[in-house]
Amino acid sequence: KQEVTQIPAALSVPEGENLVLNCSFTDSAIYNLQWFRQDPGKGLTSLLLIQSSQREQTSGRLNASLDKSSGRSTLYIAASQPGDSATYLCAVYLGAGNMLTFGGGTRLMVKP
Amino acid sequence: GAVVSQHPSWVICKSGTSVKIECRSLDFQATTMFWYRQFPKQSLMLMATSNEGSKATYEQGVEKDKFLINHASLTLSTLTVTSAHPEDSSFYICSVLRGLGTEAFFGQGTRLTVV
Repeated sequence: KQEVTQIPAALSVPEGENLVLNCSFTDSAIYNLQWFRQDPGKGLTSLLLIQSSQREQTSGRLNASLDKSSGRSTLYIAASQPGDSATYLCAVYLGAGNMLTFGGGTRLMVKP
Repeated sequence: GAVVSQHPSWVICKSGTSVKIECRSLDFQATTMFWYRQFPKQSLMLMATSNEGSKATYEQGVEKDKFLINHASLTLSTLTVTSAHPEDSSFYICSVLRGLGTEAFFGQGTRLTVV
């Protein structure tokens, strides 16, 4: 059974810092891995999607890497801003007939 | 733009009544949609997989008679919480998988409060 873990569970940083969020999964036979952002009381917004054949994806100040063999992904946020404050979730997908498996999330607070 | 639209965004109902939540895929046909439940400060829990034209597949422990799912068209799935009780109060979110890359998109979520 696929298990996804996110560390840390919560993180508070001053504005401007570069930070790394971690995601680990137990079954390396994934189809893809996706990072999401969730604001309080809202749905999930897709940030980055990494296919199993890819090593990283970038969007603006966000960079996500994937090391399938070691079962790890990291989300790097450069020059953090207060508007980045949210919960960040990673999810892995094993392919057709399977469901997304989510990590517990990292609650990020960026202080002005 | 939005890929999935979910309505309502919040609803308050009396105990014993039923509530229907709609999930629409906006720019593509979705043969499969997913319904999740989220408790405060917790991650998402898959409730059921909605299949167009056939019965939904429910996860273990989810009461199919309590949470009725209808996926009558390729763009609309509905979740009806029947005979709602305060313990059904939660945040419900729907999702679709789109494209060859199978990217997941989520609705805005529905906050259900049963009083």
